[in-house]
Amino acid sequence: SAVISQKPSRDICQRGTSLTIQCQVDSQVTMMFWYRQQPGQSLTLIATANQGSEATYESGFVIDKFPISRPNLTFSTLTVSNMSPEDSSIYLCSVDWTGNYGYTFGSGTRLTVV
Amino acid sequence: AQSVTQLDSQVPVFEEAPVELRCNYSSSVSVYLFWYVQYPNQGLQLLLKYLSGSTLVESINGFEAEFNKSQTSFHLRKPSVHISDTAEYFCAVHNQGGKLIFGQGTELSVKP
Repeated sequence: SAVISQKPSRDICQRGTSLTIQCQVDSQVTMMFWYRQQPGQSLTLIATANQGSEATYESGFVIDKFPISRPNLTFSTLTVSNMSPEDSSIYLCSVDWTGNYGYTFGSGTRLTVV
Repeated sequence: AQSVTQLDSQVPVFEEAPVELRCNYSSSVSVYLFWYVQYPNQGLQLLLKYLSGSTLVESINGFEAEFNKSQTSFHLRKPSVHISDTAEYFCAVHNQGGKLIFGQGTELSVKP
């Protein structure tokens, strides 16, 4: 299966600052997905990132708060901007490397905002 | 809109006992269904999936799930659990918009 490297694995940040999370895949993929998992909650899709186009955001998520870059077919970044304690979550990237619904997830970035 | 309901937030069982983790979905069209497992402090791993064909699907570590269209269910079962099965289990449906919709998760706790 595809191997996804996500950095950082965890971070503690001050409110009002921004954090950029990186997701590197060892295979070329068309779409990359960013999820948020709030404490004790399930996963919620933030946005879908296609190479060469603007990311598509889900309801409740906006580009100004969660800007995404997708410079090539193996890499993407998610920035959590102007953070508040409510942004404390695990953020995960995911790809369907098989094209047959074989979604693979990164190990996640555990973010704590203080 | 499609949704996924996992009926039990926590399931405590003893080692070697059978277990069933329940999952119901709402959809008026054909769906693809998944079970993911999340071990402590790790990312999600695909356990098994139903796309088409046989309604009973199996994983390599002894879990199985049965797609029941009439009951809109995709319950996960294992006849005999191990301590190492302790984890969070998520049921998910792939909707027509190309997105995975997750249930709230079920925490399986296997005790000796």
